[in-house]
Amino acid sequence: GQNIDQPTEMTATEGAIVQINCTYQTSGFNGLFWYQQHAGEAPTFLSYNVLDGLEEKGRFSSFLSRSKGYSYLLLKELQMKDSASYLCAVLDSNYQLIWGAGTKLIIKP
Amino acid sequence: IAGITQAPTSQILAAGRRMTLRCTQDMRHNAMYWYRQDLGLGLRLIHYSNTAGTTGKGEVPDGYSVSRANTDDFPLTLASAVPSQTSVYFCASSGLAGRTDTQYFGPGTRLTVL
Repeated sequence: GQNIDQPTEMTATEGAIVQINCTYQTSGFNGLFWYQQHAGEAPTFLSYNVLDGLEEKGRFSSFLSRSKGYSYLLLKELQMKDSASYLCAVLDSNYQLIWGAGTKLIIKP
Repeated sequence: IAGITQAPTSQILAAGRRMTLRCTQDMRHNAMYWYRQDLGLGLRLIHYSNTAGTTGKGEVPDGYSVSRANTDDFPLTLASAVPSQTSVYFCASSGLAGRTDTQYFGPGTRLTVL
């Protein structure tokens, strides 16, 4: 079966750095997405990785290792508005997105 | 403003009733999707459409039907609602199916079936 694993909840302090991990086992791989979802709102796109390595976009970076079936999202200089759920999703061999359950990130002042 | 709209925002429905959730996009995207999101679970694909006139079944299609008469609209129908269909429903679209295009989501419909 296909499986995406991420921690259920994480807590971090304003101004700090946090790393949210995602491991996956899917039938095929055509890329990995990270989305942000604030409570009661729709998911919004953060990043896409298809090749190994780190993609940096402002305060957010995303890393992929295809051989390990592993990705992480790195958030720097945390702000209160970063409190949200972060969803990891893998595009499988049929180009369908398989979603993790999401990691709820709580930012404390 | 370009994007995806969904209606209604929320709905309480008696079991056994028929309900259609509406979804409209103005980005001229070919592919559209319906997901449900339940607490503790990832988004699960109900149905999808790669282009106008075609539809396909996702992971959890039972009890739901869709149609894609044109590019912009992709309604989801619950023929006879059951309490297990209580969920938040998201419609999404992407430029091209079978590609790595980003999916963009509508604001969601919160449905409660009693």
